Amino acid sequence: DIVMTQTPLSLSVTPGQPASISCKSSQSLLHSDGETYLYWYLQKPGQSPQLLIYDVSKRLSGVPDRFSGSGSGTDFTLKISRVEAEDVGVYYCMQNIQLPWTFGQGTTVEIK
Amino acid sequence: EVQLVESGGGLIQPGGSLRLSCAASGFTVSSNFMSWVRQAPGKGLEWVSIIYSGGSAYYADSVKGRFTISRDNSKNALYLQLNSLRAEDTAMYYCVRGKSSWGQGTLVTVSS
Repeated sequence: DIVMTQTPLSLSVTPGQPASISCKSSQSLLHSDGETYLYWYLQKPGQSPQLLIYDVSKRLSGVPDRFSGSGSGTDFTLKISRVEAEDVGVYYCMQNIQLPWTFGQGTTVEIK
Repeated sequence: EVQLVESGGGLIQPGGSLRLSCAASGFTVSSNFMSWVRQAPGKGLEWVSIIYSGGSAYYADSVKGRFTISRDNSKNALYLQLNSLRAEDTAMYYCVRGKSSWGQGTLVTVSS
């Protein structure tokens, strides 16, 4: 199974400041079709997860542009350019290049 | 609008069985790959099972031989049959369409 490792596991951010979460996979997520199957989800308190970013850097429709994803191969990053109060929750990276799909441990983002 | 509504969770004794249902609207279940993902209380996300549009199904090693994923095209619904339940199966079970649409979840508690 592909192991996904996120750092840090928790983050306390002042509103308006940037935040960054790293996700590393134990194997390359680059598929032979040229796509890289790395997704980012946010689980807000008391809610089910919601997709933010797919294929490393593609924002789902409706996701604010303060969220951006980058990376390649085995190293990926989710950046929030200016954190807002509504961004609190747990962020998960996920690989779906192969079964079983696997998730990072999650990064809890809180507001200072 | 895509909607997924899970049901069927509850308190069950170890060794017991449950069938989870996911009622879908706004899209056709049989035309999509559908998954179940679970989350133990206070823990991260764990992929459980997937069924592809062609009918192929796959399972996490932790549930293989005990859980069965299926769908009813006439009801546009997804199911997960849980047998030989263990305490470690206690979790919120989410129905997921593709990689982007999640239901609100149904809670399964395995305890004597």
